[in-house]
Amino acid sequence: NAGVTQTPKFRILKIGQSMTLQCAQDMNHNYMYWYRQDPGMGLKLIYYSVGAGITDKGEVPNGYNVSRSTTEDFPLRLELAAPSQTSVYFCASSYSIARGPGQPQHFGDGTRLSIL
Amino acid sequence: DAKTTQPNSMESNEEEPVHLPCNHSTISGTDYIHWYRQLPSQGPEYVIHGLTSNVNNRMASLAIAEDRKSSTLILHRATLRDAAVYYCILRDEETGANNLFFGTGTRLTVIP
Repeated sequence: NAGVTQTPKFRILKIGQSMTLQCAQDMNHNYMYWYRQDPGMGLKLIYYSVGAGITDKGEVPNGYNVSRSTTEDFPLRLELAAPSQTSVYFCASSYSIARGPGQPQHFGDGTRLSIL
Repeated sequence: DAKTTQPNSMESNEEEPVHLPCNHSTISGTDYIHWYRQLPSQGPEYVIHGLTSNVNNRMASLAIAEDRKSSTLILHRATLRDAAVYYCILRDEETGANNLFFGTGTRLTVIP
């Protein structure tokens, strides 16, 4: 099983450029999430989605956009890259808690993004 | 979501048990206690979760205090592969989005 696949693994952007971080899952999970992790810190939630066509903001959504047109894919877009967005980005997915409590989130291996 | 407090770092000798503590004095009745760990250069991975009773799985055990204001993740026999950052997270299972709020966790070093 592939699980959660993130591409690219590494990227360097110039200030003001835009890019899309890709995330795909093959577990038929309803919920998907984007987190960022700055050095030495825990993960912070950027956006999440509870199903195709439904997205909502997390703790740190400014400077990012998302869409969820299919169950499998949840891309994250940076429109005008800024140095403060240098971070490691993790995508995750899970079943809905309607399936029962404690549904674990499954994470990808991350995208390391540097903005210079 | 209620906050948790964990030590910044801990050390353990290989093949010995490890007890990772977590305080959550403001836990609510619907908060489940979740543990994740993050190996170097990887995304977090789920370890275990519980509500009131102690829990065991193939990775670890979770001991929950009777008043639920603290819990302990127990690795029965630490290996070098267990060196990671361990996160204790409370999640209200009555909300719809299954969101997790990560703190800075405990960095576990395993000494050969």
